[in-house]
Amino acid sequence: GDSVTQMEGPVTLSEEAFLTINCTYTATGYPSLFWYVQYPGEGLQLLLKATKADDKGSNKGFEATYRKETTSFHLEKGSVQVSDSAVYFCALSDRGANSKLTFGKGITLSVRP
Amino acid sequence: ETGVTQSPTHLIKTRGQQVTLRCSSQSGHNTVSWYQQALGQGPQFIFQYYREEENGRGNFPPRFSGLQFPNYSSELNVNALELDDSALYLCASSQTGVNTEAFFGQGTRLTVV
Repeated sequence: GDSVTQMEGPVTLSEEAFLTINCTYTATGYPSLFWYVQYPGEGLQLLLKATKADDKGSNKGFEATYRKETTSFHLEKGSVQVSDSAVYFCALSDRGANSKLTFGKGITLSVRP
Repeated sequence: ETGVTQSPTHLIKTRGQQVTLRCSSQSGHNTVSWYQQALGQGPQFIFQYYREEENGRGNFPPRFSGLQFPNYSSELNVNALELDDSALYLCASSQTGVNTEAFFGQGTRLTVV
């Protein structure tokens, strides 16, 4: 079945540091790929998405590129802020009418001033 | 445009009891999915409802059941609660189709004691 693997966490960075969070996936067909963010005490918010190979999703300074050859969708940000502290989930959905999401375990990012 | 709302936000139940969680989908969305997020884990797909019918189910026992109403709101029912059912339950609404995007509510935190 479909699965998503995220790098182990937590991650602690200083403000303005560069961020990379690794995500790889296993899926049949051509899934859509997502990054969701969960701030403390809140539900999930879509951060960015990509729907086909070589697409780059971007939002709020975050970027991720859909790499079919390496089945990866790594999240990057050039300069993190304290407000980026949250839990980040990589997810996929198949392209059928069922928009079920398969999530990775998530990784906690803490950014210190 | 209203977002996805869930009720209640928190509740505590005793093992063996039954619980009903509610979700109002985002305006214009006809599909509702439910997820269980255990502490420190990614959300796990429970099931999805489309046009009042179950449209896909994850690896959850039959004591997890649901309903969708004509206005596309939904309920998640869990019978014979177990301690391991303690989790954040997330509802997501979407519009059926290729490359759909799911919008999440803030979740209901269920504690089983």
